[in-house]
Amino acid sequence: NAGVMQNPRHLVRRRGQEARLRCSPMKGHSHVYWYRQLPEEGLKFMVYLQKENIIDESGMPKERFSAEFPKEGPSILRIQQVVRGDSAAYFCASSSTAGQNPTYEQYFGPGTRLTVT
Amino acid sequence: AQSVTQLDSQVPVFEEAPVELRCNYSSSVSVYLFWYVQYPNQGLQLLLKYLSGSTLVKGINGFEAEFNKSQTSFHLRKPSVHISDTAEYSCGNTGKLIFGQGTTLQVKP
Repeated sequence: NAGVMQNPRHLVRRRGQEARLRCSPMKGHSHVYWYRQLPEEGLKFMVYLQKENIIDESGMPKERFSAEFPKEGPSILRIQQVVRGDSAAYFCASSSTAGQNPTYEQYFGPGTRLTVT
Repeated sequence: AQSVTQLDSQVPVFEEAPVELRCNYSSSVSVYLFWYVQYPNQGLQLLLKYLSGSTLVKGINGFEAEFNKSQTSFHLRKPSVHISDTAEYSCGNTGKLIFGQGTTLQVKP
């Protein structure tokens, strides 16, 4: 059973370009979470999605950031008009049960390291 | 509001020495706590979790943590560390995983 997959592993974008980060959850998992890790900081929750629904986006910046988890295909985190401050590691996690159930376990992908030049 | 604090950003320790990584939480609701480990260039891996019951939780790789409600702590311990334990350790709390700032454990030979 393949784990959570993220691609690309490294992404370099110039200021003003768009960044698209992809996450394929573990087989059978229908809940996806995105986290951001800025340099020298801990992981920060961004958004929680189920298939075709955004459940909790309380950690998402109000502008330029969006996420989706379509019925078919991976979850996508999109950052429009990137700025240097967006440089970070972005981690995706998936779980098999509802995010509000604390007994679940989130399985993490290896992350995408975004560098904005 | 829920929050998690890891007091030490870096913990250097010699091989085979004991180690404790500190984690304190604040929460006005039920508490469910986790420790994750992140090896270089890898994703996070669950070390152990506390949901209820026994306050001493044993995890993988010889790590254990003790839930202390009176001190609102969930410190991670290992009696004897190896070089391979060098990694980033993150304490997290409940549903959408509110993480602490992370602690880098550096094991020296």
